[in-house]
Amino acid sequence: DVVMTQTPVSLSVSLGGQVSISCRSSQSLVHNNGNTYLSWYLQKPGQSPQLLIYKVSNRFSGISDRFSGSGSGTDFTLKISRVEPDDLGVYYCGQGTQYPYTFGAGTKLELK
Amino acid sequence: VQLVESGGGLVQPGKSLKLSCSASGFTFSSYGMHWIRQAPGKGLDWVAYISSSSGTVYADAVKGRFTISRDNAKNTLYLQLNSLKSEDTAIYYCARWTVATDYWGQGVMVTVSS
Repeated sequence: DVVMTQTPVSLSVSLGGQVSISCRSSQSLVHNNGNTYLSWYLQKPGQSPQLLIYKVSNRFSGISDRFSGSGSGTDFTLKISRVEPDDLGVYYCGQGTQYPYTFGAGTKLELK
Repeated sequence: VQLVESGGGLVQPGKSLKLSCSASGFTFSSYGMHWIRQAPGKGLDWVAYISSSSGTVYADAVKGRFTISRDNAKNTLYLQLNSLKSEDTAIYYCARWTVATDYWGQGVMVTVSS
């Protein structure tokens, strides 16, 4: 199984600040078809996860350009700029390249 | 796009339960669908996938006990949970697959306890 390692476990940020979350996979996430199925999700308290970024760097419909994804192979990063109160919650990376589909353990973003 | 799960509840170990996920706002038959669960206070745990042509894949932890299925005429996804264990206690989400799990339901709680 592909193990997804997310760091840090938690982050404290001031409103308007910038943060980065790292996600590393135990195997390359490049699919045989050439796509890399690495996604980022935000789960706000009491809600289901919502998709932010798909295929490493593509923002999902309606997602602010304050969110950006980058990386390749086994090393990926989510950056959030100008943090707003609505950005707080737990961020997960997930891979859909190989079954079983696996997720990172999550990064909790809190206010400083 | 809307996904609404139902069928959860409290069930004894070894018993069965069937979850449903009603889909609307898109052509259900054209999409693969996942079940993903989240134990209380824990992270996300993938359970099963069914393709638009009804091919299925399962996590090892549920293989042989859970069955994913779909009824395209009813726009509904199902998860049959048999031989339930305490470690199956979780919120179960259905989610649509395109190039990621792009839409998720609100989830349904399954509690396995005597």
